[in-house]
Amino acid sequence: DVKVTQSSRYLVKRTGEKVFLECVQDMDHENMFWYRQDPGLGLRLIYFSYDVKMKEKGDIPEGYSVSREKKERFSLILESASTNQTSMYLCASSLYTASYNSPLHFGNGTRLTVT
Amino acid sequence: GQQLNQSPQSMFIQEGEDVSMNCTSSSIFNTWLWYKQDPGEGPVLLIALYKAGELTSNGRLTAQFGITRKDSFLNISASIPSDVGIYFCAGQLPKRYIFGTGTRLKVLA
Repeated sequence: DVKVTQSSRYLVKRTGEKVFLECVQDMDHENMFWYRQDPGLGLRLIYFSYDVKMKEKGDIPEGYSVSREKKERFSLILESASTNQTSMYLCASSLYTASYNSPLHFGNGTRLTVT
Repeated sequence: GQQLNQSPQSMFIQEGEDVSMNCTSSSIFNTWLWYKQDPGEGPVLLIALYKAGELTSNGRLTAQFGITRKDSFLNISASIPSDVGIYFCAGQLPKRYIFGTGTRLKVLA
């Protein structure tokens, strides 16, 4: 089974702090994604990466950056946390970019609260 | 961002009843995915569909890839209390996935 592990289930941070959310997958997947999930807004794509050191902006990249130094690890960085970044953050991975037989697998999520 | 239309939005059913939900899109997809999400948890993949007309089962769950490639259906037979949660569909595009708005299922024992 694919395992996508997010390092923290719950985080509480103060406004202005720099926040790191870590995600590791164990199935040698090419693609990794970061989403945030808010009531009534569904899943929104923040950033994705289709290879080491490669990244592309999703629909809501403002206030976030990402890092993918190794294939199995994809980090989401909140440069200066704000209260409107309080949300559920979900990391996901999939095997190939070019193949449609490549379902998305999610981690368990990180509930971030910014006070 | 784009979302797929999923219906119903929510439903209450009696334990033992069968459940049906569907997902529609204005775009054609080559892959349809169905997930279940429990409160406070990440979505879990239930069924993946890769071919128009395909019917795939996973235990009491059965999903179908619509012939037009613009829709998909999920059925749950003989529902049990642990079926409670949010179910949502997803269609795969190059480099991204488009998600449904979700169906919240509540099972009355």
